This record gives sequence, structure tokens and C-alpha cells, in this order.
Amino acid sequence: EVQLVQSGAEVKKPGESLKISCKGSGYRFTSYWIGWVRQMPGKGLEWMGIIYPGDSDTRKSPSFQGQVTISADKSISTAYLQWSSLKASDTAMYYCARRIGQGTFDIWGQGTMVTVSS
Amino acid sequence: QSALTQPASVSGSPGQSITISCTGTSSDVGDYNYVSWYQQHPGKAPKLMIYDVSNRPSGVSNRFSGSKSGNTASLTISGLQAEDEADYYCSSYTSSSTWVFGGGTKLTVL
Repeated sequence: EVQLVQSGAEVKKPGESLKISCKGSGYRFTSYWIGWVRQMPGKGLEWMGIIYPGDSDTRKSPSFQGQVTISADKSISTAYLQWSSLKASDTAMYYCARRIGQGTFDIWGQGTMVTVSS
Repeated sequence: QSALTQPASVSGSPGQSITISCTGTSSDVGDYNYVSWYQQHPGKAPKLMIYDVSNRPSGVSNRFSGSKSGNTASLTISGLQAEDEADYYCSSYTSSSTWVFGGGTKLTVL
């Protein structure tokens, strides 16, 4: 079964760092781009960025440039999303998703809830 | 990159058909046949319903169909069922080699 399994919910304080993960299984992880999507509480989906685990080629939405780092470790089929200094406004559900073709994200992780509060 | 424009809400009775529109620009929806539609039930991850404007993934009911004209894509759900009640998001590839989502549409089955 093709699936993406994300790390568990996190509760952090403003200014702290965080790295969440997305592990792929059931397919060749290095052959498909992995995207990250933010969903703030009660709001819509926002595309953050994407990485190709085969060579770590990365693209980010202008809205998230300088705000997050996207990386991958192909040896363990895992993509990451990290922050160096969290803000309260980073509180959201974060999803990873596999890209197929040019415009489609076909498999989604279950989401990681990040709560940033003092 | 501005979000694609969707109606905030639509509603219909069981058995009826509804259509959700998704309006972009000539830099996204109008320039590429890479429009996807996702269904999201409360507390759940999004699920792919339509890709490349009008293609259905395996396992998705043929009651769901997609189309596009100019800068506007549409999702039509026929024979509405209670389980179709959810939020629906469109997405498009863009000329900046990025992706953009619509603001989402809440579908209520009356």
C-alpha cells in the first residue's frame, strides 16, 4: 500500500525550533516529488513548497521563502519540514502529499498539528 | 500568487446536481490543464477527486466530473449523496512552477 505517514502532533513555544517528518512507503520514494501544505485552523489549504527526494531539488511558494526549510533523507524515505524560530502564526495542520504528473497530489499524509503558544 | 476563487458555499438536495467553480488567471488555470479537485471531510486529510481537469482516479465515483473553460474550472457532482457533504478545493499548476489552491467551498447536502 502506498502511504505517507507523518510525525505526531507538536506543542511548542514561540522562538523554539521544530522539524516534522513525512515517511513514504509502498513506492519508490526517490522518484516522486513530495509537497507540503499548510491549513491554519478553520482555513483553507496553502501550498508551501516541494522537494524531489532523488536529488533534493526544492521549490517554495514566495509566501514561505525564508520561513521554513524543506529537506529529505532518501536513505530512510523521509521528507522534512522545519522551522528555526516558531511564531504563534505557525499554528496549523501541516500535510505532506506525493506529486504525480505535473499538477496532482495523489497521496496525502494524515497531517501533523503544530501548536505554538506561550 | 493569489488563491484561486471559489464560492464559499454551495448546497443541494440528495439526488440533485451541483457545480463548484474555480476561477484563476491566464498564468494558472487558463494556461495549463493541470487543475485538480480535492475533497476534505472535517478532521481528515484531503482526498484527490479529479486531476488534469477532468480525470477521475481509480475508486472515485463517476458522479464526480470536471471541466474547464478559459480561466475557470468546474467540479460537478451529480446524484448528490449525504456523504458528499465536505469542503472542496481546486488547485492549479502555475507559470511560476508552483501550485495554488482555491479558498475552498463548503458543500451542504440539505
